[in-house]
Amino acid sequence: NAGVMQNPRHLVRRRGQEARLRCSPMKGHSHVYWYRQLPEEGLKFMVYLQKENIIDESGMPKERFSAEFPKEGPSILRIQQVVRGDSAAYFCASTPMSGGTGTTDTQYFGPGTRLTVL
Amino acid sequence: GEDVEQSLFLSVREGDSSVINCTYTDSSSTYLYWYKQEPGAGLQLLTYIFSNMDMKQDQRLTVLLNKKDKHLSLRIADTQTGDSAIYFCAETPYGNKLVFGAGTILRVKS
Repeated sequence: NAGVMQNPRHLVRRRGQEARLRCSPMKGHSHVYWYRQLPEEGLKFMVYLQKENIIDESGMPKERFSAEFPKEGPSILRIQQVVRGDSAAYFCASTPMSGGTGTTDTQYFGPGTRLTVL
Repeated sequence: GEDVEQSLFLSVREGDSSVINCTYTDSSSTYLYWYKQEPGAGLQLLTYIFSNMDMKQDQRLTVLLNKKDKHLSLRIADTQTGDSAIYFCAETPYGNKLVFGAGTILRVKS
């Protein structure tokens, strides 16, 4: 039973290029979360998606960042025109169902993609 | 405050107990979590506690929750070198998304 998979594990881009990060949730999970971890900091929430829907994007930068979770295939976090400040580790997590009061929806994390912008 | 706060660093000797502390922000958080991150790896869920509990024990791990002070702690008994990692506490004040502390680096000296 494979866990959350992310690829690539390491990604190097030059300033101005595009970065595409992929996340395949655990089997049977239909909810995906993306988090960003800047060096020596904790993880910060970016976006929460269900299949074909963005549920909460309150943590996404207003420009250059977008996310999708199509009906088929992995979730994609896309960063256009990358800048040095985008260098970070990007983690996705998945859960099998939406959260609700009194339930636990343990988020299972992938190994992360470490983006380096030169 | 608006941030989940943790002490930055803890060093213990192998075999001793480790206690990692966390102050969270929102008393409405239903669940509070402890995650472990080893170098270059993702986050591994260690344990969680429901907000109406004071304590939860799971093998070498003991979680204590003081809701009045919004204080959460993780005690690791008989700490081993393999426990060396960064430990994050996290809360869920806004529905599903996790809000993390900056992490506590645990170093275990043999």
